[in-house]
Amino acid sequence: DTAVSQTPKYLVTQMGNDKSIKCEQNLGHDTMYWYKQDSKKFLKIMFSYNNKELIINETVPNRFSPKSPDKAHLNLHINSLELGDSAVYFCASSQGAGVAYEQYFGPGTRLTVT
Amino acid sequence: AQKITQTQPGMFVQEKEAVTLDCTYDTSDQSYGLFWYKQPSSGEMIFLIYQGSYDEQNATEGRYSLNFQKARKSANLVISASQLGDSAMYFCAMKADSWGKLQFGAGTQVVVTP
Repeated sequence: DTAVSQTPKYLVTQMGNDKSIKCEQNLGHDTMYWYKQDSKKFLKIMFSYNNKELIINETVPNRFSPKSPDKAHLNLHINSLELGDSAVYFCASSQGAGVAYEQYFGPGTRLTVT
Repeated sequence: AQKITQTQPGMFVQEKEAVTLDCTYDTSDQSYGLFWYKQPSSGEMIFLIYQGSYDEQNATEGRYSLNFQKARKSANLVISASQLGDSAMYFCAMKADSWGKLQFGAGTQVVVTP
């Protein structure tokens, strides 16, 4: 009974391709997030949704498009992949968007663009 | 602007000893949350402990405690009685705006030796 799940766990693809990463949480949380962890392990927020509404949209190339079909799902679609997109992408969720809510992370998707 | 600083890139600690991981933060907000996460070599992000800015007591969770010094803007993590399984990267993070982002420090790599 995984709390936050992501598929796929590994994604290897060529430059120029389009790919999607799916995320699901079964915690009943209202808020979901996408993070990117670079090769130096630095974690940075990309997007956040609260009750299916986009509340954080960081400075991310518009090749990245999140979609939240319902509160339990947040998918990430990436168009025209570039070498610099290689990273680990984490989905996370929290009970709410307030400062007191811890975020629970999925296992991560390691994206390698060749 | 908010900022999280972890000045120790890496440290070694002997099994059964206590270790303190430093974290300082900068925010002008009065209400904020401080979090610590653990990332073992397997890659998942594990929530460890939370401290609210208005909490008067230091947070504790099992062998983890947070040494919160508000005036100094520090939120150090103390791990007591280190175990080999504590070897991991540890991230300090802060959220200072309900609709804002969880900001992470650069992390501290801890290696526990027998």
